[in-house]
Formats: sequence, C-alpha cells, structure tokens
Amino acid sequence: DAGVIQSPRHEVTEMGQEVTLRCKPISGHNSLFWYRQTMMRGLELLIYFNNNVPIDDSGMPEDRFSAKMPNASFSTLKIQPSEPRDSAVYFCASSLSSTGELFFGEGSRLTVL
Amino acid sequence: DAKTTQPNSMESNEEEPVHLPCNHSTISGTDYIHWYRQLPSQGPEYVIHGLTSNVNNRMASLAIAEDRKSSTLILHRATLRDAAVYYCILMETSYDKVIFGPGTSLSVIP
Repeated sequence: DAGVIQSPRHEVTEMGQEVTLRCKPISGHNSLFWYRQTMMRGLELLIYFNNNVPIDDSGMPEDRFSAKMPNASFSTLKIQPSEPRDSAVYFCASSLSSTGELFFGEGSRLTVL
Repeated sequence: DAKTTQPNSMESNEEEPVHLPCNHSTISGTDYIHWYRQLPSQGPEYVIHGLTSNVNNRMASLAIAEDRKSSTLILHRATLRDAAVYYCILMETSYDKVIFGPGTSLSVIP
C-alpha cells in the first residue's frame, strides 16, 4: 500500500510567490492533518480535517495560509504571499478515526528566499 | 488539551535497554497514550499506544502507571537505528487536535 504522498518534496521560491503543497492521504483514512516543523518551534499543528471538513484551523499562522480538502483523496496547503519565515518542513498525516494511529508523509521542505 | 512532559534528551549504550519516561498528570479517562518517533530527515512514525494495560509490539513495550499519570516507553535493546526524537502524546480519538511536544532526543552510543 502506498503511504501518505506529499508533493513537492522540495521547493525553493522567492518571497511574495504563491506556494501550493499537496497531500494524498492513505485510501480509506478519514482524518487529515497538516503540520509545520522548524528547529525553533518543533512540530506545529496547522489544521486538521475529518471527513473532508476542517475541524480546527486555529494553528494556521495568518491569513496568508489556507488549506482545502475537496475530496477524500486530496488536500492542499497554500501560502500566498510566501515569506522567508515560512521556510520549514511541512508534513501531512492521515488516520482512520477508529484507530487513531497517524501515518505521516515524507514532508515538503520549503525554502523562501 | 492534555499535556505531556518528557526529558529533553537521553543517552543509551547500544544493545542496552532504554526507558523513556512521560508524565501526563492531567490525562482524562478516555485519553489513549501514543508514542511516535522521528528519525533524522523523516516524518514521525507510530511506535505504540495504550489505554490502561501494558502493551507490547515488535518495536517496543509501553508500561502505563496504575493511576495513568505517567508512562514509560521501553526499547529492549537499543540499536544505532533507534537514535531519534521520541514523542509521547495523548489522543482521545483522531477527531482530537493531535499536539506534539518537543519530545525526547535519544542518542545511542556504539
């Protein structure tokens, strides 16, 4: 079985550009989480969805960040406009509610110059 | 959100057992105790979880205190590949906000 698939794995962009990160959860999972990881702040929960509905987006840093889950097999995290302080590794994770075990993707490393 | 506290770092010699502690004094009756680990340059991976009874799997054992206010992840024989950051988190269901603390950075000495 394929695990959680994230793309791109690496992205380098310039300040002010739009960035879109993508995630394909494991088939059949009904919860999806977006995390951001930096050395200074560790793993931060940005937003999570259950059955494609956003449940809590209180971790989204500001209006420049938005996330969507149009269907059970796809989610995006968009940053517009990007800033250097957004540089981080962004992880997507999915789970099946009844078990609670989270499966993480390999992450998308974002560098904003 | 229920919180956990863990030591920032620990060291172990290779092939010796490792006991990684976690305190969760505000745990509620329906919170499961989950452990994850993050190897360098990878996403976190599930290790083990439990509710009240001790649990064993191929990766580790989880010992849960009788009052559930603390738990210990046990690696029976540490290998160099076990060097990672270990996170202890509480989760009622995956409807919950799943919050990761700073975790314990485990170093394994050859």
